Amino acid sequence: DAMVIQNPRYQVTQFGKPVTLSCSQTLNHNVMYWYQQKSSQAPKLLFHYYDKDFNNEADTPDNFQSRRPNTSFCFLDIRSPGLGDAAMYLCATSRELAGVGNEQFFGPGTRLTVL
Amino acid sequence: AQSVTQLGSHVSVSEGALVLLRCNYSSSVPPYLFWYVQYPNQGLQLLLKYTTGATLVKGINGFEAEFKKSETSFHLTKPSAHMSDAAEYFCAVSDRGGNNRLAFGKGNQVVVIP
Repeated sequence: DAMVIQNPRYQVTQFGKPVTLSCSQTLNHNVMYWYQQKSSQAPKLLFHYYDKDFNNEADTPDNFQSRRPNTSFCFLDIRSPGLGDAAMYLCATSRELAGVGNEQFFGPGTRLTVL
Repeated sequence: AQSVTQLGSHVSVSEGALVLLRCNYSSSVPPYLFWYVQYPNQGLQLLLKYTTGATLVKGINGFEAEFKKSETSFHLTKPSAHMSDAAEYFCAVSDRGGNNRLAFGKGNQVVVIP
């Protein structure tokens, strides 16, 4: 089945120690998104890629970076995690950026703990 | 800018009773409208969406929602709650013309009482 895969599902890191979260997709979608979701809150968009074109949200901290080496994979790098970065990180894809109800398909998420 | 309002963070419903989750949006033009469900420690799964055409939309798991332009609403209903419906539900909108950004409501945590 076509899907969005996130690894690992649970990640523990230390304060200030760089960490990378991984997302892959078999949908061959052009757009990939990263969201941060804190406990009991709605997901918050960090950035997205349209193909190789990177789009950062205005309020995304510089601590968060992303790479998309090819269509299938996208990585979220947190350069120096703080305690406030503990959250669920959701990857999503969509076929295009706009159009008739271009829905986003979500992966299962990676829950990040910062010690 | 678009915004979505979901009132009542926690909603309790008895098994077999009607599930009603309210969603109102604020947008200069009618947006695309979505309901997502999130089970514990899982990603979001699309329940249903409204893009154009018939305003009553049927989704998975027996859920449906009706787009009412005059009320700027997209309320989610299910006639009879099941224990497996316990989850968090998010209403979301995206701009028809633009960049496919989803604006989410704060979510409703649904508890089903046996």
